Amino acid sequence: ETGVTQTPRHLVMGMTNKKSLKCEQHLGHNAMYWYKQSAKKPLELMFVYNFKEQTENNSVPSRFSPECPNSSHLFLHLHTLQPEDSALYLCASSQSGTSGGMSYNEQFFGPGTRLTVL
Amino acid sequence: GENVEQHPSTLSVQEGDSAVIKCTYSDSASNYFPWYKQELGKRPQLIIDIRSNVGEKKDQRIAVTLNKTAKHFSLHITETQPEDSAVYFCAAPLIIQGAQKLVFGQGTRLTINP
Repeated sequence: ETGVTQTPRHLVMGMTNKKSLKCEQHLGHNAMYWYKQSAKKPLELMFVYNFKEQTENNSVPSRFSPECPNSSHLFLHLHTLQPEDSALYLCASSQSGTSGGMSYNEQFFGPGTRLTVL
Repeated sequence: GENVEQHPSTLSVQEGDSAVIKCTYSDSASNYFPWYKQELGKRPQLIIDIRSNVGEKKDQRIAVTLNKTAKHFSLHITETQPEDSAVYFCAAPLIIQGAQKLVFGQGTRLTINP
């Protein structure tokens, strides 16, 4: 499959469950992102990974735990979530410039995982 | 840091008319401004972008204008069609440790009425 893929596409979980979201990019990019999309905040950046190193954590609660084992894969581990965490979780990737560079490139989004927390 | 404001939040136009969505940004160092379109149930996709060395860019029925002095940029869609109905997001970038961070506007839900 080409582009950015995400699994699962839909997930229903209870507040005591532990689950993981998976993202894979087939574009050879070196940066990956997790976004949360809800009615209240349309596109809210959660985490940024550049060359597998986390460079941004936008004050995300610790019940969300990202993992980036290599530049093609990104995970979001979920545990003890709250109903207000129900949202669409989008993964994206891009090709970043080297440190100090000012190269802006398109972010490619995955289809998202629709998460419902009961 | 960068702050992006987008207006209006909803816009309804008759098919064939033009639509304009405006965004303002705060960081005068920003020099790249993309627009993403998200159709219902689908992922956001880049439709056009502009870099700060130009004031306007066109691609068929869509165009983006940039006013660096006033720190605002706009998306213009002419001869609107039903398939233009979607949510549109503007964005401005930050570079953090070599990685892009896009700060998105709040989105505009555009509805094209037949």
